[in-house]
Amino acid sequence: DVKVTQSSRYLVKRTGEKVFLECVQDMDHENMFWYRQDPGLGLRLIYFSYDVKMKEKGDIPEGYSVSREKKERFSLILESASTNQTSMYLCASSLAGLNEKLFFGSGTQLSVL
Amino acid sequence: AQSVTQPDIHITVSEGASLELRCNYSYGATPYLFWYVQSPGQGLQLLLKYFSGDTLVQGIKGFEAEFKRSQSSFNLRKPSVHWSDAAEYFCAVAYNDYKLSFGAGTTVTVRA
Repeated sequence: DVKVTQSSRYLVKRTGEKVFLECVQDMDHENMFWYRQDPGLGLRLIYFSYDVKMKEKGDIPEGYSVSREKKERFSLILESASTNQTSMYLCASSLAGLNEKLFFGSGTQLSVL
Repeated sequence: AQSVTQPDIHITVSEGASLELRCNYSYGATPYLFWYVQSPGQGLQLLLKYFSGDTLVQGIKGFEAEFKRSQSSFNLRKPSVHWSDAAEYFCAVAYNDYKLSFGAGTTVTVRA
């Protein structure tokens, strides 16, 4: 089975800190995604990448950046964390193609104090 | 703009009873439609997907969904619910390459 691993299950950071969320997949998937999940809002796409060093903005990219230096790793960066970025962050990957299913990690619950 | 609506925030159903979760989308062309399930403390798992062809789609865990173009709907059903079906369910629509737009989710509680 495909495994998508997020480096931390829970993370607590202070306002203004630079935060790195790491995601690794082990099935050579071309596509990788970062979503945030908030109650009542579902999942909202932050950024995605369809190839190494390629990235595209999702629906809510403000305050975030990403890095994909290797195919298996996709990092989400909060340049200066703010309290409104407290959320559950979900990483996902998929094979190339519109109709491929996403494989999700278990999520990182980030609290910004 | 793409949108996905799940009208029901929370549904409670008795074990053994049938379940239907509603999903409506707004999109100009034929969409790619998905249902995902999230069990407590876990990541999302694909239940089923629709791209074209037969409008009744079978998925895992005994779920099925029906695409109705005239109603812009893709409702999820299960004839007999098990306690393990308690989870949050998300409908999703793909509106271009790679971008998948999710609904707000429906939480299902199963009572004995």
